[in-house]
Amino acid sequence: QSALTQPASVSGSPGQSITISCTGTSSDVGSYNLVSWYQQHPGKAPKLMIYEVSKRPSGVSNRFSGSKSGNTASLTISGLQAEDAADYYCCSYGGSSTYVFGTGTKVTVL
Amino acid sequence: EVQVLESGGGLVQPGGSLRLSCAASGFTFSSSAMSWVRQAPGKGLEWVSLINYRGGITYYADSVKGRFTISRDNAKNTLYLQMNSLRAEDTAVYYCAKDRAAAPGGGMDVWGQGTTVTVSS
Repeated sequence: QSALTQPASVSGSPGQSITISCTGTSSDVGSYNLVSWYQQHPGKAPKLMIYEVSKRPSGVSNRFSGSKSGNTASLTISGLQAEDAADYYCCSYGGSSTYVFGTGTKVTVL
Repeated sequence: EVQVLESGGGLVQPGGSLRLSCAASGFTFSSSAMSWVRQAPGKGLEWVSLINYRGGITYYADSVKGRFTISRDNAKNTLYLQMNSLRAEDTAVYYCAKDRAAAPGGGMDVWGQGTTVTVSS
C-alpha cells in the first residue's frame, strides 16, 4: 500500500493548461480503471473532481479532465483560473476493497 | 441535502482509545459503502478503512489493522470507527466519506468536514 507518486507542485498562468501526473504500479493504477481525483482547498474537505479515470461528477467544470496510460494517470486543468489553486490528490483502487492515495500536488496560479 | 457529519475527536494519550461517529443524511445510507480517510497535520490524504453497505465486510490499511475497527448501524444511519492502542502517528483529521458506487473503487463523492484526533501525553 505505498502512496502513488505525484509532483509536489505544478504552476501555471491564468488561461493556461496544466497536467498533474499520478504514478502507481501494476497492482493499482495499472490494474483498474478506478482512478479518482480530489481537490482540496486549505482547511476544507476534499472534493471529488474525476472518477473512473475520466468521468466528471455533476457540477464539476469540464475544464477538468482525466486520463490514464499504463501505470500513470493524469489530471488536466484547462483554462486555469484563480479558484483552481488548491491541493490535488489522485486515488486508485488497490484491489480487495482498498484505496491508495497519491502524495498530493499543490497547484499555484501565477 | 446529502451530507455526513463526523464527531468524537479529541485529545487522547498514547495507548488510549477513541470512538468516532459519522451521521449520514440525504441519501440511502444502507446502500452505500463507506470509508474513513485521515490527514495528518500538513500531510496528504491516507485511506484508513472501508465497510460494505451491509456492514459484513470490512477492510483496513496496514497502518491501522488490528487496532481500528470500522462498523455501521444502518438503522441509525451512522458509521463508526473504534480506535484502540492509539499512537502519536494517528494524530490527524479523520474524514468520513461515502463511496460513489455500490461497489468500492469508484471514488468517494460525499465527505464530511472532519474531526480532529490528537494523540499526545
